[in-house]
Amino acid sequence: EAGVTQFPSHSVIEKGQTVTLRCDPISGHDNLYWYRRVMGKEIKFLLHFVKESKQDESGMPNNRFLAERTGGTYSTLKVQPAELEDSGVYFCASSPPPPFGLGEQFFGPGTRLTVL
Amino acid sequence: LAKTTQPISMDSYEGQEVNITCSHNNIATNDYITWYQQFPSQGPRFIIQGYKTKVTNEVASLFIPADRKSSTLSLPRVSLSDTAVYYCLVGDRSGGGADGLTFGKGTHLIIQP
Repeated sequence: EAGVTQFPSHSVIEKGQTVTLRCDPISGHDNLYWYRRVMGKEIKFLLHFVKESKQDESGMPNNRFLAERTGGTYSTLKVQPAELEDSGVYFCASSPPPPFGLGEQFFGPGTRLTVL
Repeated sequence: LAKTTQPISMDSYEGQEVNITCSHNNIATNDYITWYQQFPSQGPRFIIQGYKTKVTNEVASLFIPADRKSSTLSLPRVSLSDTAVYYCLVGDRSGGGADGLTFGKGTHLIIQP
């Protein structure tokens, strides 16, 4: 079974441009999460979808970030306009609905975003 | 959220047993203890989870004392491929474990030949 996939693996853009990251969760996983790690910092939670609904977006840094999950399948995270401090690795994770699993989350390989 | 404290880094040799201890003094009654492993250029990967006493799977063991204020991840007979960052996470699973995870700095484990 395919794991969580993310696209692109690496993106380099200039300050002020727009970038859209995509995440395809494991099939059947209602829960989808976005995280990011900026240089030298810890992995931080951004937001959580349950199907197509935003369950928790307390970690979203500001309104330049927009996450969507239309249809409850894949999700996109758009950064517009990108700033230098947005550089980092963006991880997506998914998990099945309770009571399945141990509450573990399955992470994708991440998208490395570099803003110049 | 319970704060966790782990060693910043550890070194060991192939074939040894490695124990990484995590402190979580203000763990709450509903909190579980979970360990993730992360290799360079990859996302974190779930290793093991427990609430109390001892949990063992095919990869590791997790020892949790009665007061639950700490936990120890035990990796038996490590190999070079176990070189990675190991994260200790503490969180509430009462909602089914579907909350966002809180990562700390992790422990950089380096295995030498």
